[in-house]
Amino acid sequence: ETVMTQSPATLSVSPGERATLSCRASQSVSSDLAWYQQKPGQAPRLLIYAISTRATGVPARFSGSGSGTEFTLTISSLQSEDFAVYYCQQYNNWPLTFGGGTKVDIK
Amino acid sequence: EVQLVQSGAEVRKPGESLKISCTGSGFYFTTHWIGWVRQVPGKGLEWMGIIYPGDSDTRYSQSFQGQVTMSADKSISTAYLHWSSLRASDTAIYYCVRLVGGAPKWFDPWGQGTLVIVSS
Repeated sequence: ETVMTQSPATLSVSPGERATLSCRASQSVSSDLAWYQQKPGQAPRLLIYAISTRATGVPARFSGSGSGTEFTLTISSLQSEDFAVYYCQQYNNWPLTFGGGTKVDIK
Repeated sequence: EVQLVQSGAEVRKPGESLKISCTGSGFYFTTHWIGWVRQVPGKGLEWMGIIYPGDSDTRYSQSFQGQVTMSADKSISTAYLHWSSLRASDTAIYYCVRLVGGAPKWFDPWGQGTLVIVSS
């Protein structure tokens, strides 16, 4: 099983600042990496797939990068609606696995 | 609009059975894998398994194999998740998801979730 590890667990950021979230895979997942956003009381929403491709309607301030085992989600200038929990997910091999999540809260 | 709509919240006692549903619209349900994801309140996401409504082919996470059963009725674009004997540890929110472009792939969209509470 590919273990996905996200860091930090919590990231405190001021509105307008940049946020950088990390995700590490225990083995290479090639480019098969997605990011999801979950706000309180809501279902997760796809943000990015294939490391860096934004899903329909996702603002350009969200960007993904990385390769192999190390991946990053960057939010260039945090807006109030971006405070949420973010999960990475690998879909390179079975079972499909998620990271434990990074909560982005207001500093 | 592509969407998945799930059945409402359920409260059951340990040992009881339950089947929850997920109905797709806005896309060709028969040719997309549909998955299920568990989220214990306050915790992270766990992939449970997937089903292909076209032929009911399934693939389960080892963690959930034998604990739940996935099924689908392609005539009404609906997937199901079934428990024959619930446990308190099954208390969670269950999301259905559509896999985009085959399997394994990313999940989009997600259903709104079904809260299952198992308590005596």
